[in-house]
Amino acid sequence: DIQMTQSPSSLSASVGDRVTITCRASQSVSSYLNWYQQKPGKAPKLLIYDASSLQSGVPSRFSGSGSGTDFTLTISSLQPEDFATYYCQQSYSTPWTFGQGTKVEIK
Amino acid sequence: EVQLVESGGGLVQPGGSLRLSCAASGFTFSSYEMNWVRQAPGKGLEWVSYISISGTTIYYADSVKGRFTISRDNAKNSVYLQMKSLRAEDTAVYYCARDYSGYDSFEYWGQGTLVTVSS
Repeated sequence: DIQMTQSPSSLSASVGDRVTITCRASQSVSSYLNWYQQKPGKAPKLLIYDASSLQSGVPSRFSGSGSGTDFTLTISSLQPEDFATYYCQQSYSTPWTFGQGTKVEIK
Repeated sequence: EVQLVESGGGLVQPGGSLRLSCAASGFTFSSYEMNWVRQAPGKGLEWVSYISISGTTIYYADSVKGRFTISRDNAKNSVYLQMKSLRAEDTAVYYCARDYSGYDSFEYWGQGTLVTVSS
């Protein structure tokens, strides 16, 4: 199975900050890497697919990059509604696996 | 509007069975692969199972293989998860999720249904 490791596990940031979350795969997943946002009590929401493609309706302050084993989710200017937990997920091979999550909290 | 509505969750004793349903609307169900993903209380996301459009290709996570069975009824716009030999570690919110074809990401999610395995 491909293991996905996110860092950090949590971070505190202020509105307007640039935030970067990293996801590392235990082996190459090419560009088959997706990012989700989850708010408490809600279902996850797809933000980025194929490592860098922005899902329809997602604000352009979200961006993804990387390929192979190292990936990044960047929020260019953190907004109040962005405080949530973020997960990466590889769709290169089954079983599809998620990172452990990164909780973005208000500083 | 795409809608996925799960049902069938509840409290079940260890070793028991439960069948989850997911009713889809707002899109051509028979054109999309479907998945089940779960989340234990306070924990992260775990993919559980996948079913292809025709139902002929199915995958399971090792943690549920041999105990869970995914199926679909394209005439009823529904996907199901039959769960047997349930364990305490199966306690979770179960989400059905529509596959983003070609990328195997989870494009749309239901609101989830809680399964609690406890005596």
